[in-house]
Amino acid sequence: DGGITQSPKYLFRKEGQNVTLSCEQNLNHDAMYWYRQDPGQGLRLIYYSQIVNDFQKGDIAEGYSVSREKKESFPLTVTSAQKNPTAFYLCASSILPGASYGYTFGSGTRLTVV
Amino acid sequence: AQSVSQHNHHVILSEAASLELGCNYSYGGTVNLFWYVQYPGQHLQLLLKYFSGDPLVKGIKGFEAEFIKSKFSFNLRKPSVQWSDTAEYFCAVNAWAGNNRKLIWGLGTSLAVNP
Repeated sequence: DGGITQSPKYLFRKEGQNVTLSCEQNLNHDAMYWYRQDPGQGLRLIYYSQIVNDFQKGDIAEGYSVSREKKESFPLTVTSAQKNPTAFYLCASSILPGASYGYTFGSGTRLTVV
Repeated sequence: AQSVSQHNHHVILSEAASLELGCNYSYGGTVNLFWYVQYPGQHLQLLLKYFSGDPLVKGIKGFEAEFIKSKFSFNLRKPSVQWSDTAEYFCAVNAWAGNNRKLIWGLGTSLAVNP
């Protein structure tokens, strides 16, 4: 089955640590996205990539970094510079950049800072 | 700046009641419109979408939405809800933001259906 796999499902991080969230898709989609979901705040775009080796900042990129070395993979690193990293992180992809056909979402990673 | 407004943040209904969730957007150009649903503990799924043509679109699980261009609205409806419709619902608009076209999201509406 084609889809998006996010791992791990739950992640605990100590203060000051960097952690990397994995996102892999086998849909052959060009574009991939990272969102942060907080209660009452909807989905906020962190980073997106429309093509391999290229990515753009979203609305809340500070404290995060990404890479897009392969079409199927778009890992997100939450750095120690992110002031409030506890949240639910969603990865998505779309067949074409611009999301004309909507997104396919992964099942998410819940990150908790301890 | 483009924005999407969902008027109802929390909705509580009894089974068999009718549902209408409001969604308005602020963008004057051509738009694609979407409703996504997130069931408890599950990932976001596409419920329905509008690209062009008939402004009344039908989606999965008996949901439908009507695009009213003059009102910049894309309200979601279901004639008779079920307990299994308990979920969070998100409206999204595909619009130009700077040099890129991307999805602009509403804040979501939490629907609880009592059996």
